[in-house]
Amino acid sequence: GAVVSQHPSRVICKSGTSVKIECRSLDFQATTMFWYRQFPKKSLMLMATSNEGSKATYEQGVEKDKFLINHASLTLSTLTVTSAHPEDSSFYICSASDSPGLSETQYFGPGTRLLVL
Amino acid sequence: DQQVKQNSPSLSVQEGRISILNCDYTNSMFDYFLWYKKYPAEGPTFLISISSIKDKNEDGRFTVFLNKSAKHLSLHIVPSQPGDSAVYFCAASDAYNQGGKLIFGQGTELSVKP
Repeated sequence: GAVVSQHPSRVICKSGTSVKIECRSLDFQATTMFWYRQFPKKSLMLMATSNEGSKATYEQGVEKDKFLINHASLTLSTLTVTSAHPEDSSFYICSASDSPGLSETQYFGPGTRLLVL
Repeated sequence: DQQVKQNSPSLSVQEGRISILNCDYTNSMFDYFLWYKKYPAEGPTFLISISSIKDKNEDGRFTVFLNKSAKHLSLHIVPSQPGDSAVYFCAASDAYNQGGKLIFGQGTELSVKP
């Protein structure tokens, strides 16, 4: 099956620093990647949708200047949390799809646990 | 507002019995529903789906039922096995208008006891 990786799996940083999370599709070309955020005991909240070579589409309430998304190639998307604060601590999960109209073809990465001190 | 709701945060079932996980939604535009299974520190993995034109879809031990009038779906696992212990998320999409965007419920943690 399709494999999606995320790096790092866990990161601890100081308040005010920026953190970059990578999402890679290892064995397929992902025309679309999605970024989700999950709080403890809560649902996965879609943050943004990114298509290769174009600007990401952010969901309502998500600050695009705070969460910078770059989908530079068909196998790589990055999420940068800029000037991170403790309230940004969360579990960030990406998914990748080569057929974005078909929900079943979203393959999820293992997630990145971010802790901001 | 929570468009997809899983009101039971946890469920405990004996091995061999049936597990029933429930999910409710509010948006009548949703036309595709999926169930995902998630282990700790891992991403969700796709389990089973159902289109709004159907009311039942079966795959081995897993069956999903959709009641459009009640805006309710459920996942049945029978017989339940200890390896089924995980968090189960239902998700919905408005595939026609929103493409692949998924709206997730809060998840139900299933524990299957030997």
